[in-house]
Amino acid sequence: ETGVTQTPRHLVMGMTNKKSLKCEQHLGHNAMYWYKQSAKKPLELMFVYSLEERVENNSVPSRFSPECPNSSHLFLHLHTLQPEDSALYLCASSQVGGSSGNTIYFGEGSWLTVV
Amino acid sequence: AQKVTQAQTEISVVEKEDVTLDCVYETRDTTYYLFWYKQPPSGELVFLIRRNSFDEQNEISGRYSWNFQKSTSSFNFTITASQVVDSAVYFCALIARSNDYKLSFGAGTTVTVRA
Repeated sequence: ETGVTQTPRHLVMGMTNKKSLKCEQHLGHNAMYWYKQSAKKPLELMFVYSLEERVENNSVPSRFSPECPNSSHLFLHLHTLQPEDSALYLCASSQVGGSSGNTIYFGEGSWLTVV
Repeated sequence: AQKVTQAQTEISVVEKEDVTLDCVYETRDTTYYLFWYKQPPSGELVFLIRRNSFDEQNEISGRYSWNFQKSTSSFNFTITASQVVDSAVYFCALIARSNDYKLSFGAGTTVTVRA
């Protein structure tokens, strides 16, 4: 059982829809991440939240909007997506500082298909 | 700048064969952490091991073993007596201060174990 849970696991949405991906970590970590994994492409870091503050936004289009209401929850709000946004979206968490070596633990991912 | 190279794109073996996955890294930091993750078809990235740059001891965990050699900047991973359940994509990754402790992933090696 993973310490990082994501819902939904699968999502199909139209280009005009608005949906959200949810992530919850049960590890007591202080940083959370969104990664995107497209077919035949390397993992891309999208957003990083450390202590609930966004510290990284890797030139992600504004149709992706993250929200981190507390250290345990992370959302990715989606609106007016394009078919090329279809991918596996992975949430992750880590403890920045301390002795864990910043080990990043991932959730099971949310498979997104935009039609 | 830091970089992780996994030169092997795909490896196919028959069950019970050993398989070694190569990982070569580049970083100017003297303190860094190396990781291996496993990604089965379900999508979740499963953390396997973390090694810090000051600990060159090789490690064995069941059928898995890791060979860390700073002299060649390599962190290779061997699966002994492979099983069908080992079929997955395996990623090598690096974290260092100079990259704000963000994970740099290799491109991944797809391992297929045939019965």
